[in-house]
Amino acid sequence: QVQLVESGGGVVQPGRSLRLSCAASGFSFNAYGMHWVRQAPGKGLEWVAVIWYDGSNKYYADSMKGRFTVSRDNSKNTLYLQMNSLTAEDTAVYYCTRDRNYYMDLWGKGTTVTVFS
Amino acid sequence: QSVLTQPPSVSAAPGQKVTISCSGSSSNIGNNYVSWYQQFPRTAPKLLIYDNDKRPSGIPDRFSGSKSGTSATLGISGLQTGDEADYYCGTWDSSLSAWVFGGGTKLTVL
Repeated sequence: QVQLVESGGGVVQPGRSLRLSCAASGFSFNAYGMHWVRQAPGKGLEWVAVIWYDGSNKYYADSMKGRFTVSRDNSKNTLYLQMNSLTAEDTAVYYCTRDRNYYMDLWGKGTTVTVFS
Repeated sequence: QSVLTQPPSVSAAPGQKVTISCSGSSSNIGNNYVSWYQQFPRTAPKLLIYDNDKRPSGIPDRFSGSKSGTSATLGISGLQTGDEADYYCGTWDSSLSAWVFGGGTKLTVL
């Protein structure tokens, strides 16, 4: 069925790196832009990044620029988020979502990242 | 501080109607479509309204959306206890080249 499944979350020490993955199935992954959205404990939704359907364009939230990198492998139907120099403020549930031009119509269940020393 | 402004909470009795506002600017709501998302505790958000006023398949017509100028509104009529959730508005901000969400509104059905 049509779904997104995130993985790669876990507990990591401050300053370390982590790579998240999002496996897409049930639709033509290479036809859609994809987002990462995160939610810190007890907080609202925070957009992280978007990547065009072919990887040609990428945009990031200001607080993530230079530390996070979004990428995709259309041959593997997989979206990635490389996160470097992690801090406690990066502790959150990370969701991948499908872009439909001005809305996100499909969300994964999320993967939890905890930055803790 | 979110780029889009929503009230932190709203409440109403079962069967009543409630509206949730989302205020932005010309660089976001004023020139782009708005979408709304519903989130229950410990679950992923779900698309509720897209392109300002359209409902995805499966969303009851008790949920409605509208936009005027730089503000958007989500309406929920015939409130049910099962509607208790957090609601977020979102859109693209052309000046920031970034997607923006409202801070979220917690709906309580008394």
